[in-house]
Amino acid sequence: RKEVEQDPGPFNVPEGATVAFNCTYSNSASQSFFWYRQDCRKEPKLLMSVYSSGNEDGRFTAQLNRASQYISLLIRDSKLSDSATYLCVVENAGNMLTFGGGTRLMVKP
Amino acid sequence: ETGVTQSPTHLIKTRGQQVTLRCSSQSGHNTVSWYQQALGQGPQFIFQYYREEENGRGNFPPRFSGLQFPNYSSELNVNALELDDSALYLCASSTDRDSPGEQYFGPGTRLTVT
Repeated sequence: RKEVEQDPGPFNVPEGATVAFNCTYSNSASQSFFWYRQDCRKEPKLLMSVYSSGNEDGRFTAQLNRASQYISLLIRDSKLSDSATYLCVVENAGNMLTFGGGTRLMVKP
Repeated sequence: ETGVTQSPTHLIKTRGQQVTLRCSSQSGHNTVSWYQQALGQGPQFIFQYYREEENGRGNFPPRFSGLQFPNYSSELNVNALELDDSALYLCASSTDRDSPGEQYFGPGTRLTVT
């Protein structure tokens, strides 16, 4: 079993749709959680951190459920420019980041 | 742009050869991490260097080694290349004052082993 699991997709959605991605992690001692975005043939970039209380940044909302070891990302009012791969990331002891395999999103006109 | 640069951008090597990849960190960043990203997968942590010392290592064999220099630039060395080493190699820099998740990635070096 992978330490961080994501549905690889692709998720094909029309512009303006709301889409949600889920991620599960296996290490209950994991300390911090993040979503990264990776465009095709580009490097990953930090999208947002994920807190137990949930956090929102514009159209993006991230949630963490420590009891279920589950992380989510919600994107409202999808834009064409949101098309990318979204990587769920978990930080374990020793500042090691473990990435999920990524979920590919394609937003269509 | 993150300010993190990597060289070369592409590289083709033959099985059994050795390769050195280079990374120049963002100014002021004293921590560098290296990742291997195979096609269609997420990045996998290789190791991290902090102030020229290895500060953590993922599940990679000893033929993967690294260095960090006083100016915080870094090298990844891979000996006895295997076909499965073909991947995008990413370095990411950060500071010890940032959250560990706040890493700034370079554009990567795409290595092909034939």
